[in-house]
Amino acid sequence: NAGVTQTPKFQVLKTGQSMTLQCAQDMNHNSMYWYRQDPGMGLRLIYYSASEGTTDKGEVPNGYNVSRLNKREFSLRLESAAPSQTSVYFCASSPYSRGGYEQYFGPGTRLTVT
Amino acid sequence: GIQVEQSPPDLILQEGANSTLRCNFSDSVNNLQWFHQNPWGQLINLFYIPSGTKQNGRLSATTVATERYSLLYISSSQTTDSGVYFCAVSSGNTGKLIFGQGTTLQVKP
Repeated sequence: NAGVTQTPKFQVLKTGQSMTLQCAQDMNHNSMYWYRQDPGMGLRLIYYSASEGTTDKGEVPNGYNVSRLNKREFSLRLESAAPSQTSVYFCASSPYSRGGYEQYFGPGTRLTVT
Repeated sequence: GIQVEQSPPDLILQEGANSTLRCNFSDSVNNLQWFHQNPWGQLINLFYIPSGTKQNGRLSATTVATERYSLLYISSSQTTDSGVYFCAVSSGNTGKLIFGQGTTLQVKP
C-alpha cells in the first residue's frame, strides 16, 4: 500500500495564478482532509470530506475549493493564489467508521506564492 | 472549540536521556494522536490513544481522558528522535483534528 500520496511535492506560483493539489489514498478510507502548516505552527484544517460526495469547511477555508472526485481522491484548488497561501499542505485520510478514527497523512506539498 | 496546549515548547536533551511531553485539552475527545514531524517535514504517526496506555519500543503514551491530558514518554533518546512532536485531538462526528503548537525536541550526541 502506498498510503496517502500527494502531487506535486513542490510548487512555485505567481500571485493570481491557479493550481490544483492532488491527493489519493489506497486504504479504502471514508474520510479525507486537507490541512495547511505555516512556519512554527501546528496544522490547521482547510476542508474535509466525511464521505464520498460530501465536503465541508474547516477552520481556514477562504481562498480554497475542494472536490471529492471519488472515494480515493480529494483535490484542493487555489483559484487565485495569494502570498498568504504560502504554506505546506497536507492531505490525510481516516476510516472514520467502526474501523477507527486514526488519521494518516501524506508527505505534503510545499507551496510558495510570490 | 477544543483548545490543545503542549508543554514544554522546546526541549534539549543529551543522547540517552529520558523525557516527558505533555498535552492538555479542554474538552472530551474521541481521538487523540501523537505525531513526530521529522526534519524533512514528514508527519509520522506515533500513537492513536484516546484513552489508556500504549508502548512502542522506546516510546510510550498515556491518556487520562477524565482529566483531559496525555503524556508522551521518550526513553534513551537518540539523535534521530529530534524534530517536532504534535498532539492532535478531535471530538464530535467529523474527525477534524485540532493540533497543538508542538514541542521541538533536539537530541545532542
